[in-house]
Amino acid sequence: GDSVTQMEGPVTLSEEAFLTINCTYTATGYPSLFWYVQYPGEGLQLLLKATKADDKGSNKGFEATYRKETTSFHLEKGSVQVSDSAVYFCALILNQAGTALIFGKGTTLSVSS
Amino acid sequence: GAVVSQHPSRVICKSGTSVKIECRSLDFQATTMFWYRQFPKQSLMLMATSNEGSKATYEQGVEKDKFLINHASLTLSTLTVTSAHPEDSSFYICSAIGAENWNTEAFFGQGTRLTVV
Repeated sequence: GDSVTQMEGPVTLSEEAFLTINCTYTATGYPSLFWYVQYPGEGLQLLLKATKADDKGSNKGFEATYRKETTSFHLEKGSVQVSDSAVYFCALILNQAGTALIFGKGTTLSVSS
Repeated sequence: GAVVSQHPSRVICKSGTSVKIECRSLDFQATTMFWYRQFPKQSLMLMATSNEGSKATYEQGVEKDKFLINHASLTLSTLTVTSAHPEDSSFYICSAIGAENWNTEAFFGQGTRLTVV
């Protein structure tokens, strides 16, 4: 079935380090892909998205490129900050109206100064 | 971006009582709303999908008589946890999509931390 697999955490980095969180997906058709971020005790916020192959989503220094050939949507940031500490979820939505997002298990990022 | 308001953010209730959680789309018409449950340090588990004016579709393993979902208008969906027990303690999150952007963005509420004592 349709699914999202992302690297397990926690990921622990020092401030200004380079971040990569891997995400791959299995889906029928051509889904839209998302990264959401969840800060402690809060709901989810959309970080970035890509709706078709080769699209690059970017926001707040984070980037991810929709790679159809490798069915991947890896999240990257060149220089992380302490304030980036959160749980990151990769997700997809199928191109069928009324269907829910399918989430990966989430990756906890902890950045220390 | 669009705003989804979820209320209450935290609730503590006694075992055996019922709790209602509201999810409102404040500036768009939510044709579909989703209810998720999140266990500590785990991903979001989809509980049910509700379309305005029709019965909710529950995921396998979710008791529809225990988790009552109502989506009476295009801006409001409610989740009622009936006869709550400690094992129902969890973080519940709603999500809403509109008819025009259903595949480009889902908007999430702030979540409700339910503790059953």
